Amino acid sequence: GDSVTQMEGPVTLSEEAFLTINCTYTATGYPSLFWYVQYPGEGLQLLLKATKADDKGSNKGFEATYRKETTSFHLEKGSVQVSDSAVYFCALRRYTNAGKSTFGDGTTLTVKP
Amino acid sequence: SQTIHQWPATLVQPVGSPLSLECTVEGTSNPNLYWYRQAAGRGLQLLFYSVGIGQISSEVPQNLSASRPQDRQFILSSKKLLLSDSGFYLCAWMEDILNTGELFFGEGSRLTVL
Repeated sequence: GDSVTQMEGPVTLSEEAFLTINCTYTATGYPSLFWYVQYPGEGLQLLLKATKADDKGSNKGFEATYRKETTSFHLEKGSVQVSDSAVYFCALRRYTNAGKSTFGDGTTLTVKP
Repeated sequence: SQTIHQWPATLVQPVGSPLSLECTVEGTSNPNLYWYRQAAGRGLQLLFYSVGIGQISSEVPQNLSASRPQDRQFILSSKKLLLSDSGFYLCAWMEDILNTGELFFGEGSRLTVL
């Protein structure tokens, strides 16, 4: 079945540091890939997405590139801020699967001033 | 614009008591609806999904059930709660499974079973 493996956390960085959160997936066909973010006490919200190989999703300074050859979708940001502290989830969805999405376990990021 | 409402936000229930969590979506029609559970420090586990009124698919055997009595209403229930039912429950909807595939989540309901 489908699966998503995320870099284990928690991750603690200083403000303005470079961020990478690794994500790899296993799925048949050509899934869409997503990064969601969850701020404390809230539901998840979409951060960025990519729907086909070599697409780059970007939002709020975050980027991730759909790499089919390595089945990866790593999240990066060049300079993190305290406000980026949250839990980040990598997810995939296949069109032929009733819209069901498969999520990774989440990576908790804490940014210190 | 579309919005999703989920309630109650927090509840503490004794073991063996019933449960009802409700979710409604506004501003769209015939959405796909989902219930996820997030255990402490864990990822999201899909519990139920629905592609239409009265159509419920269960992903894992458990102590919970779901119903969709109206197009934009999705209810998660239990007749007798277990300690293991504690967690953060998230309702979500998807408008067009052939297009963006983005899930829109509610604010979540934190359930503590004592």
